Amino acid sequence: QTVVTQEPSFSVSPGGTVTLTCGLSSGSVSTNYYPSWYQQTPGQAPRTLIYRVNTRSSGVPDRFSGSILGNKAALTITGAQAEDESDYYCVLYVGSGIWVFGGGTKLTVL
Amino acid sequence: EVQLVESGGGLAQPGGSLRLSCAASGFTISSYWMSWVRQAPGKGLEWVANIKQDGSEAYYVDSVKGRFTISRDNAKNSLYVQMNSLRAEDTAVYYCARWEFTSGWYYLDSWGQGTLVTVSS
Repeated sequence: QTVVTQEPSFSVSPGGTVTLTCGLSSGSVSTNYYPSWYQQTPGQAPRTLIYRVNTRSSGVPDRFSGSILGNKAALTITGAQAEDESDYYCVLYVGSGIWVFGGGTKLTVL
Repeated sequence: EVQLVESGGGLAQPGGSLRLSCAASGFTISSYWMSWVRQAPGKGLEWVANIKQDGSEAYYVDSVKGRFTISRDNAKNSLYVQMNSLRAEDTAVYYCARWEFTSGWYYLDSWGQGTLVTVSS
């Protein structure tokens, strides 16, 4: 059973930079896994942030960027703002029609 | 404007059934893979099922295989999931979502607001 790993929590100061990662319990994340990133605030539906490694969805500020870092997909927020305090999820295609979300990262901005 | 509106959630008993619906507007679902994603209270997102544009292929997370059936009615521009043999661990907000395929990449680009399913006696 494939497990997609994310940091459970992260903290960043306002104006700071933070990189969240999305990995696999075994193996390396590559473009073959179609990683994408989503933001969710409590009580709200998820919002699409990043797809195709580093393409921002419509309306997403350019302080959000994506990449493949080593063996993981990564989401970087450069110049974090208070409104970025949210849960962040990645999802990966693991083959045979199956997609798996990571457990999510709770980002605190303080 | 693309819109997905889920309905059909509510309280079900363990072992019972529910059918969720998702009404799409602003686009034609027949051009898209569609999905159900759920979120248990206080937990993360979990992909549940996908269905191909013409309904010829469907895929499920292991925990719902044999109990849930995803379907679609392209003429009604609607997506469904029939949930049988419900368990307490199926309690979650269920989101309907659309898969976009752009430049060789699949991603979820539109989400409904979700409908809450509670399984309890």
